[in-house]
Amino acid sequence: GAVVSQHPSWVICKSGTSVKIECRSLDFQATTMFWYRQFPKQSLMLMATSNEGSKATYEQGVEKDKFLINHASLTLSTLTVTSAHPEDSSFYICSASDRRYYNEQFFGPGTRLTVL
Amino acid sequence: AQTVTQSQPEMSVQEAETVTLSCTYDTSESDYYLFWYKQPPSRQMILVIRQEAYKQQNATENRFSVNFQKAAKSFSLKISDSQLGDAAMYFCAWRSTGNTGKLIFGQGTTLQVKP
Repeated sequence: GAVVSQHPSWVICKSGTSVKIECRSLDFQATTMFWYRQFPKQSLMLMATSNEGSKATYEQGVEKDKFLINHASLTLSTLTVTSAHPEDSSFYICSASDRRYYNEQFFGPGTRLTVL
Repeated sequence: AQTVTQSQPEMSVQEAETVTLSCTYDTSESDYYLFWYKQPPSRQMILVIRQEAYKQQNATENRFSVNFQKAAKSFSLKISDSQLGDAAMYFCAWRSTGNTGKLIFGQGTTLQVKP
């Protein structure tokens, strides 16, 4: 099956620093990648959708200058949390899809971000 | 706008028994996909079952089956012979057949399986 990886699986950083999270599709080319944020015991909240080679489309209320998304290749998308603050602490999940798989989303294992 | 509602925040079931998780949705589209995802304590999202709206037959995957009522916009998940490993958070989700591929998730139901 299609496998999506995320790196790192967890990260702790100081307030004011930037953190980059990578999302890779390992055995397929992902034309579209999605980034979600999830708080404990809550649902997944879609942050943005990115298509390879295009600017990401952000959901309403998501600060695009704070959460920078780059989808530079068909197998890699990155989420950079800039000037992180404690309220950015959360679980971030990416997913990847491709038309050849009927746009089915395959999820990464997630990244736990803790901002001190 | 499409919405997905799971009205049961928590459910519990005895091991080997059957449990049904509820999901309702709202959409004006006639063709779409519906999904149930499982999120165990590891937090890896796992696809449990998929239903295509144009198919009248309810999807089944081993111990997991759905009751898809298109007119009522209802999509419940039945887990038979519940196992301890079924304990997880379950999310119902809707997706258009269009190119965006965006998933609309319900609030989730936490399932506890008692030995």
